[in-house]
Amino acid sequence: DVKVTQSSRYLVKRTGEKVFLECVQDMDHENMFWYRQDPGLGLRLIYFSYDVKMKEKGDIPEGYSVSREKKERFSLILESASTNQTSMYLCASSLGQHPAGYTFGSGTRLTVV
Amino acid sequence: AQKITQTQPGMFVQEKEAVTLDCTYDTSDPSYGLFWYKQPSSGEMIFLIYQGSYDQQNATEGRYSLNFQKARKSANLVISASQLGDSAMYFCAMRGGTSGTYKYIFGTGTRLKVLA
Repeated sequence: DVKVTQSSRYLVKRTGEKVFLECVQDMDHENMFWYRQDPGLGLRLIYFSYDVKMKEKGDIPEGYSVSREKKERFSLILESASTNQTSMYLCASSLGQHPAGYTFGSGTRLTVV
Repeated sequence: AQKITQTQPGMFVQEKEAVTLDCTYDTSDPSYGLFWYKQPSSGEMIFLIYQGSYDQQNATEGRYSLNFQKARKSANLVISASQLGDSAMYFCAMRGGTSGTYKYIFGTGTRLKVLA
C-alpha cells in the first residue's frame, strides 16, 4: 500500500516563525498536493507538484511556498506564520489519473499563537 | 470553473438503515472523475468510491454505491445498512479531465452521525 507520511501530527508555532511541514510518499507517485482543511470550507488546494522541482499554485497560495527537491518529498513552508494559518494541513499524492485517486497523509494540525 | 456542492452540513441515520449523502458538481470538461472520501475523527482521509464520467454503470464498493445522474450533475453517495463506524465526515471531490490536470476540488463535507 502507498503510504504518505506527514512528519508531525500536532504543531504549535509562534506568529512570525518560519514553519516547515514535511510530507513523504513511498510509491513513486509523480503528483503531490498540499491542502488545508477548515470547518465549513472543506479542503482548499494550496500548492501542487507534478514532478521534481516543479510546483504550481493552487487556490490559496498566499503566505505559503513549497519545495520538491526529491520525488518522494514535498515540503510546505509558511514563510512567516500568522494566526489565520491555524488549520489542518493535508498532504496527498497520486499516480496520474488512477481511479483510486489520492492517497492522503494523516494530517498536521497546526496552531499559530 | 469547476465546483462541488454538498448542501447537508450534518445528517443523522439510525443504525442498519440506508442513508444518502448529496453531492452536485459543475464542470465544462467532458471527461472527469468523481470521488467520495471518509474522514473519521482520527483525521485520515479514506478513499471510498470512484465514478468516471464515461462509466455506464453506477459504481459500487461493498456497502457504498454512487448514484450518478449525469444530466443532473449529481453524484450522491448511498451507504446501505449503516454501522456505528460510519460516523464520520464525508467529502465529495472531482478531478478535472483536462490533460495534465490531476488536482481535485472538494466539497465542504457532510458530517454523518449513526445512532444506535
